[in-house]
Amino acid sequence: GAVVSQHPSRVICKSGTSVKIECRSLDFQATTMFWYRQFPKQSLMLMATSNEGSKATYEQGVEKDKFLINHASLTLSTLTVTSAHPEDSSFYICSARKVGTGAHGYTFGSGTRLTVV
Amino acid sequence: AQSVAQPEDQVNVAEGNPLTVKCTYSVSGNPYLFWYVQYPNRGLQFLLKYITGDNLVKGSYGFEAEFNKSQTSFHLKKPSALVSDSALYFCAVRYDSGAGSYQLTFGKGTKLSVIP
Repeated sequence: GAVVSQHPSRVICKSGTSVKIECRSLDFQATTMFWYRQFPKQSLMLMATSNEGSKATYEQGVEKDKFLINHASLTLSTLTVTSAHPEDSSFYICSARKVGTGAHGYTFGSGTRLTVV
Repeated sequence: AQSVAQPEDQVNVAEGNPLTVKCTYSVSGNPYLFWYVQYPNRGLQFLLKYITGDNLVKGSYGFEAEFNKSQTSFHLKKPSALVSDSALYFCAVRYDSGAGSYQLTFGKGTKLSVIP
């Protein structure tokens, strides 16, 4: 089956520092990866869509310079939260779509709980 | 614009009883619909999807969902609930945001509590 590994699962950082979250497709190639943010007791909000080798497409209201996304290969995408502040504290989830599955196959990582202190 | 509505924030059901988690959708074109389950501090696990074909879709862990085009609904069901089914359930619809970049729009989620 398709597996997506997301690391770290939990991170605490100081305000003003940057944090990198990795999302890896372990046994398949991912044409597209998605990054979501989830607030407590709320749904997933799509932050950006990244296609391998090209710039990410950000949703309205998401700061590109704050949430840097790199999708350098078909198996790895990273989200870097730059100059983090307490309001960036949230649960971040990545999702990958497998090459060749058309629009059907989405696999999610286990999420990263970011706490900025 | 596409949207997904899950009208119930919480559903409580006794163990062994049938459960239903409701979902209605709005999307242009043919709907591609999904159900996911989320346990605390975890990502989403795929349960089932409807692409085309039989309106009754069977998925993981004994769950099934019925696609109703006229009512634009895709309710999740299970004949006999287990305590371990207690979790947060999300309904989602796929849409094409452009250039073949298919994205999912999620409902707000329904918390299912199965009471022993």
